[in-house]
Amino acid sequence: AQSVAQPEDQVNVAEGNPLTVKCTYSVSGNPYLFWYVQYPNRGLQFLLKYITGDNLVKGSYGFEAEFNKSQTSFHLKKPSALVSDSALYFCAVRASGYSTLTFGKGTMLLVSP
Amino acid sequence: DGGITQSPKYLFRKEGQNVTLSCEQNLNHDAMYWYRQDPGQGLRLIYYSQIVNDFQKGDIAEGYSVSREKKESFPLTVTSAQKNPTAFYLCASSLAGGPIDTQYFGPGTRLTVL
Repeated sequence: AQSVAQPEDQVNVAEGNPLTVKCTYSVSGNPYLFWYVQYPNRGLQFLLKYITGDNLVKGSYGFEAEFNKSQTSFHLKKPSALVSDSALYFCAVRASGYSTLTFGKGTMLLVSP
Repeated sequence: DGGITQSPKYLFRKEGQNVTLSCEQNLNHDAMYWYRQDPGQGLRLIYYSQIVNDFQKGDIAEGYSVSREKKESFPLTVTSAQKNPTAFYLCASSLAGGPIDTQYFGPGTRLTVL
């Protein structure tokens, strides 16, 4: 089985401060992990993914994520938040041997000016 | 201009009617997917197809049907058997359907049952 949890429904951060959106996963086998962002009434946009190798993955718009195998986590981070980063963020996992992607329920990020 | 298009953007349906949502891609991707999004529930997989003329049920296929007659197209029909069809529907595609392939999403169709 495979599952992913986003423990926070909403994250609030002030513009210019660092942000973290949390994601933990559970899989049998090697995990392949993805982050997507969704703006209101739009489709999902791909941010980054972890396949193998370096645990720190850099993606679009200044976002990065750190894969931690011992904690089964893949938290999304950005050093300095922008108001325009306010959106819904989804973490997703797919284990080797599985044919589908499993999404978390999403975390709403609100960046205040 | 490559990408995934979905139409219509908004769709209204009366109870008891079947409706078909369109999804087209010009990315030359083999795999295509349909997801349903409800507030607070994330994305749930309805159907997916990894090759023309073949498709598999996802987690919530009941009340839905699909076809994959062309590589570029993967229409979804919401039938009258779907008890609660009001939702945001998202189509996606990926290169080959493999575990490391990134899925790219269309802009979505919002279906409302009147």
